[in-house]
Amino acid sequence: EVQLVESGGGLVQPGGSLRLSCAASGFGFSVYEMNWVRQAPGKGLEWVSYISESGTTIYYADSVKGRFTISRDNAKNSLYLQMNNLRAEDTGVYYCAREVVVSGIDAWGQGTLVTVSS
Amino acid sequence: SSELTQDPAVSVALGQTVRITCQGDSLRSYFASWYQQKPGQAPLLVIFGQNSRPSGIPDRFSGSSSGNTASLTITGAQAEDEADYYCNSRDISGNHLGLFGTGTKVTVL
Repeated sequence: EVQLVESGGGLVQPGGSLRLSCAASGFGFSVYEMNWVRQAPGKGLEWVSYISESGTTIYYADSVKGRFTISRDNAKNSLYLQMNNLRAEDTGVYYCAREVVVSGIDAWGQGTLVTVSS
Repeated sequence: SSELTQDPAVSVALGQTVRITCQGDSLRSYFASWYQQKPGQAPLLVIFGQNSRPSGIPDRFSGSSSGNTASLTITGAQAEDEADYYCNSRDISGNHLGLFGTGTKVTVL
């Protein structure tokens, strides 16, 4: 069974940092592209970042570029999102999401809540 | 345009058919995937590619595309289909799946 389990969310003050993790199991993590997608409270889905299988190709949404860093450790079957200089508008549930060429995002974690507030 | 636009809300009588549309320039080049999201849950892939369903998705869900518009049709809507639905596509560069639609709330009456 494919499982993606996010962790690392919490309450942080504006300007602070958090590191999200996503533990993958039930599939060959190293051969899949991965994404982070977020959802502000009561709002729609927003793509945040993408990383290729090997980690050599990375993309970010303009809203997080220069503040967030995506990475992965294929030996540990883990995906990460380092979030710095957090703003109130970064508040939301962050999902780890597996991408397949044919179908797009075909698996999602349960999400981890990030709250940026003083 | 680098956006995907959906109607905010639609309603459908139980057992009837509803179509949800998604418009955007990138859809002229790339297929949309469709996701169902119920309150408090992660999104669930229901349609991808030209008109494919993942295992376990009922065949009352179908997809189509024409020009800059992708559509998701629920034929014979059930109470459990009440949810938010989002389309998703690659951005115009094709580099990543950076475009999500604005979302459509489907209410089953």
